[in-house]
Amino acid sequence: QQKVQQSPESLSVPEGGMASLNCTSSDRNFQYFWWYRQHSGEGPKALMSIFSDGDKKEGRFTAHLNKASLHVSLHIRDSQPSDSALYFCAASEPNYAQGLTFGLGTRVSVFP
Amino acid sequence: EAAVTQSPRNKVAVTGGKVTLSCNQTNNHNNMYWYRQDTGHGLRLIHYSYGAGSTEKGDIPDGYKASRPSQENFSLILELATPSQTSVYFCASGWGPNTEVFFGKGTRLTVV
Repeated sequence: QQKVQQSPESLSVPEGGMASLNCTSSDRNFQYFWWYRQHSGEGPKALMSIFSDGDKKEGRFTAHLNKASLHVSLHIRDSQPSDSALYFCAASEPNYAQGLTFGLGTRVSVFP
Repeated sequence: EAAVTQSPRNKVAVTGGKVTLSCNQTNNHNNMYWYRQDTGHGLRLIHYSYGAGSTEKGDIPDGYKASRPSQENFSLILELATPSQTSVYFCASGWGPNTEVFFGKGTRLTVV
């Protein structure tokens, strides 16, 4: 079973609209969560991390973490064509040498 | 911006042949990682390293070896390539657990 599960698999959003991505974990050892974004032909790049319960905002991106339910979400406000990409949720245990465990990703397409 | 460089970017290999994928990072990061990315499986960890001279098995190490001769370089070796190893391979580096991981642009390997 995938330890980090993402939904939906894909998402189409109008330009200027809001995209909402979800991620849940089945492993209570996971304490730290990241969102990575991968454009076609590139490697993943970290968007933001969230380690504490509540919201974290960086520009048009807001992450929300609920540690009790091991649920983390990412909301993209005012979506732009450049936001079209594959978004990964990743989680890690404290001081776990292997580092991050990735979900399967959500593909976001922003249409004009 | 952290730099991770992979070579080659594309490779076609024959079944049973030896393949070496190379990775160089100029960030002085302690940890380096090799992942493969396949549709339906996301990013899966093959091998990782804490520093020069160390290599550790990740989640899917079978059929792969790794070598970390220096802080900057980390190689992935397929001694006897098989078609099931056709994939996109990513090298990454980071300071360690709970910190951002920086990815290279990837190597597309096709084993025929």
